[in-house]
Amino acid sequence: NAGVTQTPKFRVLKTGQSMTLLCAQDMNHEYMYWYRQDPGMGLRLIHYSVGEGTTAKGEVPDGYNVSRLKKQNFLLGLESAAPSQTSVYFCASSSFGDGREFFGPGTRLTVL
Amino acid sequence: RKEVEQDPGPFNVPEGATVAFNCTYSNSASQSFFWYRQDCRKEPKLLMSVYSSGNEDGRFTAQLNRASQYISLLIRDSKLSDSATYLCAANQFYFGTGTSLTVIP
Repeated sequence: NAGVTQTPKFRVLKTGQSMTLLCAQDMNHEYMYWYRQDPGMGLRLIHYSVGEGTTAKGEVPDGYNVSRLKKQNFLLGLESAAPSQTSVYFCASSSFGDGREFFGPGTRLTVL
Repeated sequence: RKEVEQDPGPFNVPEGATVAFNCTYSNSASQSFFWYRQDCRKEPKLLMSVYSSGNEDGRFTAQLNRASQYISLLIRDSKLSDSATYLCAANQFYFGTGTSLTVIP
């Protein structure tokens, strides 16, 4: 099993550009999450999904959109990137939604 | 106030030492608690769950104190390979900022 995979691993954007981060899991988990991790701020929840076709906002959703069209995939979109969105983005999945989460390797995004 | 708070450290300890981390949570209704390990430039990985009765896995012991709303992680006989950042978590969504541990030869 590959577990949780994320593409791309690295990306550099210019302010105003858009992009989509892809997360895929092969563990048949219902719950999926997008976090960003910044120095001194820890992991902060952007959006999450409790099942195929559902999404909900987390702590820091502004500037991001998500979609969960298939159970195994969770996409994170940035419509108009800003330097404040420079961060490491982690996707995670969970079977029970109780905090036992499996993380992908992360995407390092720099917005110039 | 953050849901989960922990001392960022860093903790620098000699090999073989015992080290303990604490983490406090603000929501008394929180039901499940976990410790994660994160190596430099890697993703967090689940280390162990935390139960009211305590949980031991080899050199690692995790405990929950509901009355004082904190969880702890004790590492005995520290190894160089234990050097990492340790994150606590309460329920889903809420992670501490992490405590950095460096084990020195």
